[in-house]
Parts: sequence; C-alpha cells; structure tokens
Amino acid sequence: DAGVIQSPRHEVTEMGQEVTLRCKPISGHNSLFWYRQTMMRGLELLIYFNNNVPIDDSGMPEDRFSAKMPNASFSTLKIQPSEPRDSAVYFCASSPDRGLTGELFFGEGSRLTVL
Amino acid sequence: AQTVTQSQPEMSVQEAETVTLSCTYDTSESDYYLFWYKQPPSRQMILVIRQEAYKQQNATENRFSVNFQKAAKSFSLKISDSQLGDAAMYFCAYRSAVLGSRLTFGEGTQLTVNP
Repeated sequence: DAGVIQSPRHEVTEMGQEVTLRCKPISGHNSLFWYRQTMMRGLELLIYFNNNVPIDDSGMPEDRFSAKMPNASFSTLKIQPSEPRDSAVYFCASSPDRGLTGELFFGEGSRLTVL
Repeated sequence: AQTVTQSQPEMSVQEAETVTLSCTYDTSESDYYLFWYKQPPSRQMILVIRQEAYKQQNATENRFSVNFQKAAKSFSLKISDSQLGDAAMYFCAYRSAVLGSRLTFGEGTQLTVNP
C-alpha cells in the first residue's frame, strides 16, 4: 500500500507568489494533519481534519494560510502571498480511527524556500 | 493542553554502546499514546516505538525499548548496541486516545553515533 504522498518535494518561489502543497493520505485513514518544521520552532501542527472536516486550525499562522480537504483522498495547503519566513518543511500525515494504534503516518515532506 | 518536553537538545554515543533519551509530558488524561519518532537526514519521519498508557509493560522493538513511568509522566527511550544508522533527530510525541486527536511533539534530541 502506498504511503502518504506529498507534492512537490521541493519548491522554490519568490516572495509574493502563491504556493500550493498537496497531500494524498493513505486510503481509509480518517484523519489528516499538516505540520510545519523549522529550526526555530520545531514541529508545529498547522491544522488537522477528521472525516474531511477541519477540527482545529488554531496553528495556522495567519490569513495567508489556508487548507482544504475536498474529499477523503486529497488535501491542499495554500500560502498566498508567500513570505521568506514561510520557508520550512511542510509535512502531511494521516491516521486511521478504526483499529486505533495512535500512530501518524507521515509523507516525505515538501521543502519550501521563499526568496 | 498537553505538552511534551525533551530536555536534551543533543546526545552522543559510541557505536555499540547504550544511550537513553529523556522525555516528559504533561496531561490530565488517563488514556493516551506515547511515541518516539526518528528523523534521519532524509527528513522522513519514522516511527520507532509506541506505548499505550493503559499498558504497564514497557514497549520493546529489537534494540529500542522505553521506560514508561506513568505517575511521573516520563517516557525515555533506550537504544542498545547503537549503530551508525541510528544517528538522527529523535522526537517524543503524545496523542490522546480520543478519536481524531492531534499528535504533539517535543523539541527533539539530535543523536550522534561515533564510530
């Protein structure tokens, strides 16, 4: 079974541009998470969904960030307009509710560099 | 809110020796999961070991074992017979057993394995 799939793996863009990060969770998983990792702040939860519904978006830094989950197999994280301080690795993760082991399964991350 | 603390930003160990990484957490819940994730330079988040709070027996996975002290809210990771491939950032993490809950990470411990 394929794991969590994220794209792109690397993105370099200029300040002010729109950035869209994509995630395909593991089939059958009910919860999807977006994390951001930086040296200064470590791993921060931005938002998470359960059954496609946003449960907690309190970690979203500001209005420039938005996330959607239109169906069970796809989610996007959008930054518009991007700023240099948004440079980070963005991880998507998913987990099942049934047969709960608590574990989150992570994608390989998307490294974003905003110049 | 739950918090996870890793007080050792960096640790080092000689190859074939044993090292223990510390983690404490704060929660008012009685049912939860604790995890250790490994992040090598490839940045992939890899689950090392998992502990259910209701289990008194400490989890073990080959060379990796934990010392789970529920009353003290302590969850340390012991790596025996350390190998060069164990060099990575290690994150301790907490997750409530409530369905669809978030995973909260500690700050991480960078482990160096010396040949």
